[in-house]
Amino acid sequence: AQSVTQLDSQVPVFEEAPVELRCNYSSSVSVYLFWYVQYPNQGLQLLLKYLSGSTLVKGINGFEAEFNKSQTSFHLRKPSVHISDTAEYFCAVSGATDSWGKFQFGAGTQVVVTP
Amino acid sequence: KAGVTQTPRYLIKTRGQQVTLSCSPISGHRSVSWYQQTPGQGLQFLFEYFSETQRNKGNFPGRFSGRQFSNSRSEMNVSTLELGDSALYLCASSSSRDRGRNYGYTFGSGTRLTVV
Repeated sequence: AQSVTQLDSQVPVFEEAPVELRCNYSSSVSVYLFWYVQYPNQGLQLLLKYLSGSTLVKGINGFEAEFNKSQTSFHLRKPSVHISDTAEYFCAVSGATDSWGKFQFGAGTQVVVTP
Repeated sequence: KAGVTQTPRYLIKTRGQQVTLSCSPISGHRSVSWYQQTPGQGLQFLFEYFSETQRNKGNFPGRFSGRQFSNSRSEMNVSTLELGDSALYLCASSSSRDRGRNYGYTFGSGTRLTVV
């Protein structure tokens, strides 16, 4: 079984400032890791994913994340945020095999970007 | 390429009634998963279907059920609705069929169910 902890429930940030959203996970098996974004009244949109290989993963809209196996972390970063990045962000984990559609999601981090 | 389509977008039901939600996956996707999202419990996995067979199931009571048709469209049903069933229900689809590897799921916009 896997679990995910998002360390911040809300992150306020000024426009054009950098942001980091923290995610830690636990698992007894190899995992895939994901970050999703949810805008109000919408579904989940995939930002990026780590399956294997390079630990620095680049996603859409200028986001990137780094997989750290020793610290079991997968933190999301953006060097300069826009007002349109205001949304809720979810870190998710699944086992690398035999997961059959099941993701374990974190509780979410609400990002509020102000001018 | 059309995305995952969920219908209806909004639904209001009375406690004790039953409800059926529909999900049309991306063309060619044969795996469909369902999630419940609430402010208190967050995103929770309900079940997953592939080729009309349920392959995985979360920890929900038997009032929650689903099925998948031969064209991969899926429905979920909740019987004897309770106030706590009020939630956003999300469907996701994937073409992935290789040993349950979850790396190709696309989510729909969800059905917002309100139980009164």
